[in-house]
Amino acid sequence: GAVVSQHPSRVICKSGTSVKIECRSLDFQATTMFWYRQFPKQSLMLMATSNEGSKATYEQGVEKDKFLINHASLTLSTLTVTSAHPEDSSFYICSARATDRVTEAFFGQGTRLTVV
Amino acid sequence: AQSVTQLDSHVSVSEGTPVLLRCNYSSSYSPSLFWYVQHPNKGLQLLLKYTSAATLVKGINGFEAEFKKSETSFHLTKPSAHMSDAAEYFCVVSDRGITGKLIFGQGTTLQVKP
Repeated sequence: GAVVSQHPSRVICKSGTSVKIECRSLDFQATTMFWYRQFPKQSLMLMATSNEGSKATYEQGVEKDKFLINHASLTLSTLTVTSAHPEDSSFYICSARATDRVTEAFFGQGTRLTVV
Repeated sequence: AQSVTQLDSHVSVSEGTPVLLRCNYSSSYSPSLFWYVQHPNKGLQLLLKYTSAATLVKGINGFEAEFKKSETSFHLTKPSAHMSDAAEYFCVVSDRGITGKLIFGQGTTLQVKP
């Protein structure tokens, strides 16, 4: 099956700094990528939909200026958490939908962000 | 609007006994439905998917699910649970468009007792 690589898998940063998370589709082209946030023992909440070459579409309640998304190529999307605070600590997961397999999305391994 | 409801937040079975994880969906048109599994601090793995072909869908690791339109259900089953099946399971609905969002259920924690 298709592989989505997410990096880093775990990151600890200080309050006020920014953290970038990468999501790469390794063996397919992904027109659309999705970013999710998951709190402990909870489901995945969609944060934004990232479309290659255009602005991301954010879900209601998600701060665009805080969670910057860039989808510069068909294989890479990045999520930057700007001016991170402890409440941003969470598990972030990306998924990618292959251009020719629109009914299925493939997920990265997730990134555990801890802001201290 | 689409939504999905997982009827049980926690299911506990003994090893070797059947597994049933329940999922109901709401959609204004024929949806695509998925079951994903997540092990602790890991990403998600696709177990199976329904995309308007056969209503009984077979997936990996012995799991299967039946799409029942009249009941708006997509329950996940397995004849015999294995210890390695212990994980979090998510029922997911998606629309058919290329940018269709995946809407996740609340998740069901499956515990398998020896």
